[in-house]
Amino acid sequence: DQQVKQNSPSLSVQEGRISILNCDYTNSMFDYFLWYKKYPAEGPTFLISISSIKDKNEDGRFTVFLNKSAKHLSLHIVPSQPGDSAVYFCAARLMDSSYKLIFGSGTRLLVRP
Amino acid sequence: DTAVSQTPKYLVTQMGNDKSIKCEQNLGHDTMYWYKQDSKKFLKIMFSYNNKELIINETVPNRFSPKSPDKAHLNLHINSLELGDSAVYFCASSPPAGTLLLGYGYTFGSGTRLTVV
Repeated sequence: DQQVKQNSPSLSVQEGRISILNCDYTNSMFDYFLWYKKYPAEGPTFLISISSIKDKNEDGRFTVFLNKSAKHLSLHIVPSQPGDSAVYFCAARLMDSSYKLIFGSGTRLLVRP
Repeated sequence: DTAVSQTPKYLVTQMGNDKSIKCEQNLGHDTMYWYKQDSKKFLKIMFSYNNKELIINETVPNRFSPKSPDKAHLNLHINSLELGDSAVYFCASSPPAGTLLLGYGYTFGSGTRLTVV
């Protein structure tokens, strides 16, 4: 029973174009959503987050959009760069006493030069 | 000066053995976690400690026992290792879990790849 799903295991994009990574969730008890980036043989590193009371958060080339009615969020990277090639994990924080993060299975992004 | 460091990075061992993975953080965080990345690549939480106190204990076999000697360390001991324990184990730390300002989320270690043969 995966509460956070990333249905696209991989995505390939040309350098300079937009990368859109998608994430769906099933639990309404999440209060924060986060994106993490992971390079091989390294741990995930925090990228950007959004509160459930907002619908957009922007940080440089990275923008996260939240559609609560659809239980969907997306990460936009514009313009994409070869250094963005990594696995991107979507995560959601449970709004209970544990506040634990639930992760998706990741999407591998390849940005082609 | 690694923020969250795990040792060892790789661990190959036989079924039935007992092994430990160590984790240390120098960020001054109060909360530490162990996550397991399984073959399907999901990152699943196993345990969480806040100031040496266990606060999250997911459905994990009793063979897994976390130990937190102080708030900067959270070690994972695994008894009677099984083939299914093969995975990458990540340690992480954060300010108190209920902190609303998630400006930077958790800080993860680089992982320990455990292979049970």
